[in-house]
Amino acid sequence: NAGVMQNPRHLVRRRGQEARLRCSPMKGHSHVYWYRQLPEEGLKFMVYLQKENIIDESGMPKERFSAEFPKEGPSILRIQQVVRGDSAAYFCASSPFTGNTEAFFGQGTRLTVV
Amino acid sequence: DQQVKQNSPSLSVQEGRISILNCDYTNSMFDYFLWYKKYPAEGPTFLISISSIKDKNEDGRFTVFLNKSAKHLSLHIVPSQPGDSAVYFCAASANAGKSTFGDGTTLTVKP
Repeated sequence: NAGVMQNPRHLVRRRGQEARLRCSPMKGHSHVYWYRQLPEEGLKFMVYLQKENIIDESGMPKERFSAEFPKEGPSILRIQQVVRGDSAAYFCASSPFTGNTEAFFGQGTRLTVV
Repeated sequence: DQQVKQNSPSLSVQEGRISILNCDYTNSMFDYFLWYKKYPAEGPTFLISISSIKDKNEDGRFTVFLNKSAKHLSLHIVPSQPGDSAVYFCAASANAGKSTFGDGTTLTVKP
């Protein structure tokens, strides 16, 4: 059973470009979470999605950031018009159900904006 | 407003001794607590959890203690091993929602 797969592992974008980060949850998991880790900081919650629905986006910046988890295919975190401050590690996690359970994390995508 | 705080950025212990990692929280609605371990260039991996209805949960060398009145939890690792060297994150959730993470504590276990 493959774990949570994130790609790409490393992504370099110039300021103003778009970044698309992909996350395939573990098989059978329908709940996906995105977190961001800035240098020397902890994991900051961004968004929680179930299939085709955004459940909690309280951690998402109001502009330029969006996320989706379509019925088919991976979850996508999209950052438009990237700025240097977007440089960070972005982690995706999945869980099989809602409730008190641990989440399984991918290896992350390290975004560098130059 | 940081709801989960790990006040010690780093901790160094000798192999074979006990490691105690601490975590404080402010949100009284939190009812489930987790510890994750993270190696460089990898994602966090789940270690152990505890529900607010308990005050202790043990799994092998790892024990988590919860003091609800103090809004404090701790992770004990005994005996500590060099392979335990990693960043440890405390996390908390309320009503089966998202987990809120602390900033992590870097544990170094010296041989």
